[in-house]
Amino acid sequence: GQNIDQPTEMTATEGAIVQINCTYQTSGFNGLFWYQQHAGEAPTFLSYNVLDGLEEKGRFSSFLSRSKGYSYLLLKELQMKDSASYLCAVTVNYQLIWGAGTKLIIKP
Amino acid sequence: GAVVSQHPSRVICKSGTSVKIECRSLDFQATTMFWYRQFPKQSLMLMATSNEGSKATYEQGVEKDKFLINHASLTLSTLTVTSAHPEDSSFYICSARDIGTGEGYEQYFGPGTRLTVT
Repeated sequence: GQNIDQPTEMTATEGAIVQINCTYQTSGFNGLFWYQQHAGEAPTFLSYNVLDGLEEKGRFSSFLSRSKGYSYLLLKELQMKDSASYLCAVTVNYQLIWGAGTKLIIKP
Repeated sequence: GAVVSQHPSRVICKSGTSVKIECRSLDFQATTMFWYRQFPKQSLMLMATSNEGSKATYEQGVEKDKFLINHASLTLSTLTVTSAHPEDSSFYICSARDIGTGEGYEQYFGPGTRLTVT
């Protein structure tokens, strides 16, 4: 079967750094996406990792280890607007297998 | 670029009626579109994969006669919820793959349609 695990909820402080982990066990692997979703809105693309290593994009970075079936999303200099759900998704044969999402709560 | 629109954004209908939701790729061609459903505080659940010019592939547990999908062109897919019931109330989101990109793995999401069945 396909399985993607993320923490259900995390809390962090404005200005701090937070790391959201994602582990996966899937029948195949083409790549791993991170999406951000605010309540009542559709997901928006954050990052896409195909090869092992760290991809940095502004305040957000994403890491992938294919051998470990592991990824994380790192958010720096947290802002209140970063309060949202963060969804990890693995592409298998052009289909996205979704994690349940991590709700990130930012406190002042 | 890579914009996907959905219409309507919100719809309220009475139990037993049918509702059609449109998904359009505005600035690219999409041979494949995906329809998702999301209940409150849950992740996205893939309902079906819609391929232009052919029948949609439905996920296990999704009734194809209830959720009719038509992908008549490279820029338009429609989802019709037939004989809607209150339990069909949900957030429906479509996404599309851009055939013009190299690997084509990324999906671009529409803004979603909030369906409420009374």
